Amino acid sequence: DGGITQSPKYLFRKEGQNVTLSCEQNLNHDAMYWYRQDPGQGLRLIYYSQIVNDFQKGDIAEGYSVSREKKESFPLTVTSAQKNPTAFYLCASSIVSGGYTEAFFGQGTRLTVV
Amino acid sequence: GIQVEQSPPDLILQEGANSTLRCNFSDSVNNLQWFHQNPWGQLINLFYIPSGTKQNGRLSATTVATERYSLLYISSSQTTDSGVYFCAVNRVSNFGNEKLTFGTGTRLTIIP
Repeated sequence: DGGITQSPKYLFRKEGQNVTLSCEQNLNHDAMYWYRQDPGQGLRLIYYSQIVNDFQKGDIAEGYSVSREKKESFPLTVTSAQKNPTAFYLCASSIVSGGYTEAFFGQGTRLTVV
Repeated sequence: GIQVEQSPPDLILQEGANSTLRCNFSDSVNNLQWFHQNPWGQLINLFYIPSGTKQNGRLSATTVATERYSLLYISSSQTTDSGVYFCAVNRVSNFGNEKLTFGTGTRLTIIP
């Protein structure tokens, strides 16, 4: 099946630990994005990448890091510097072709700090 | 950056009613999408509609790019339509895709 796969679906982390969320896509999309959603709130952009080996900070990048070593993969690391990491994390990808750029989302990862 | 506002923030309707959700954006955009977030959190693509009108079953959308707004119409609402509806926009510049910016969402509750 073509699509965006996020894993794991649920993740528990102890305070002070780093944790990496996986996002893989087989849609051959150039751009990938990470968003954070808090309960009852909208989506806020953490990081995005338009091409391999390049990425830009979004609105709330502090305490997070990413890499884009392969076109199909865009992992997000939540570091111990992130003060309030408990949230729902959504990964998206979109093609970059002329003016067309429809984005598609994975099913999300719910991270809880215990 | 582009500002995106959605209205109303909350909407409660009886099953069978019709509704109109609005999305206003502060600058010209190349792309606009409508999503439905289901109770499990997944974002479902409804429409990719940078301009014009599209219809898909009971749902339709219209974007008037020159006036910087988009409308999502839901007719004959069903309980499965409940959830949060988001619009999102971005621009395509010489550097490629700019970031996709989301509105604050409209929470729709359909009562049986």
